[in-house]
Amino acid sequence: QVQLVESGGGVVQPGRSLRLSCAASGFIFSSYGMHWVRQAPGKGLEWVAVTFFDGSNEYYADSVKGRFTISRDNSKNTLYLQMNSLRAEDTAVYYCAKVLYSYGSSADAFDLWGQGTKVTVSS
Amino acid sequence: EIVLTQSPATLSLSPGERATLSCRASQSISNFLAWYQQKPGQAPRLLIYDASNRATGIPARFSGSGSGTDFTLTISSLEPEDFAVYYCQQRYNWPPLTFGGGTKVEI
Repeated sequence: QVQLVESGGGVVQPGRSLRLSCAASGFIFSSYGMHWVRQAPGKGLEWVAVTFFDGSNEYYADSVKGRFTISRDNSKNTLYLQMNSLRAEDTAVYYCAKVLYSYGSSADAFDLWGQGTKVTVSS
Repeated sequence: EIVLTQSPATLSLSPGERATLSCRASQSISNFLAWYQQKPGQAPRLLIYDASNRATGIPARFSGSGSGTDFTLTISSLEPEDFAVYYCQQRYNWPPLTFGGGTKVEI
């Protein structure tokens, strides 16, 4: 079954860290760029970060640059998002998403999304 | 950063009616635009990629058009399950990839 399953969300105090995971199945994970996209409560979608299919490059939204790190383990078919120095404004549902085309630029439409994991940053 | 402006913010229609959603880019993005549908409590679903290509399994009542700065998502005849929020997203100039603010299609 082709799917993405996120985990690792929860309630965390400002300034603390959290690591999200996204387990992929049903497709050749190592062939596709992968992204994290978030959605604050009642708000729209915000792109967070991307890692290329082979992990050779990564890019971040300015809002998370220097605090978040995206990574992947192609041997485990898993994507990660290490979130440090969390702020209240990082509160959101975090989705992992797969790009449409393999081996491409990694900036494509997202044809597969996980169900999301909720992160709440609050004291 | 490319800004995508969606209009209207809310579209009130009835089943069977035609829905026309607009997405305008702050600069030309060629045809590098996608449309997504999101229902409450669910992840977004890809409808259209590269402005006019329907994603796998998407019904023919959904169509996309446009290029440059002006894009349209049309739902030819609304089904009850089509009432949702719709987002556009550009991939022409990145990072960052950017999304529009969304259009809610309501009954």
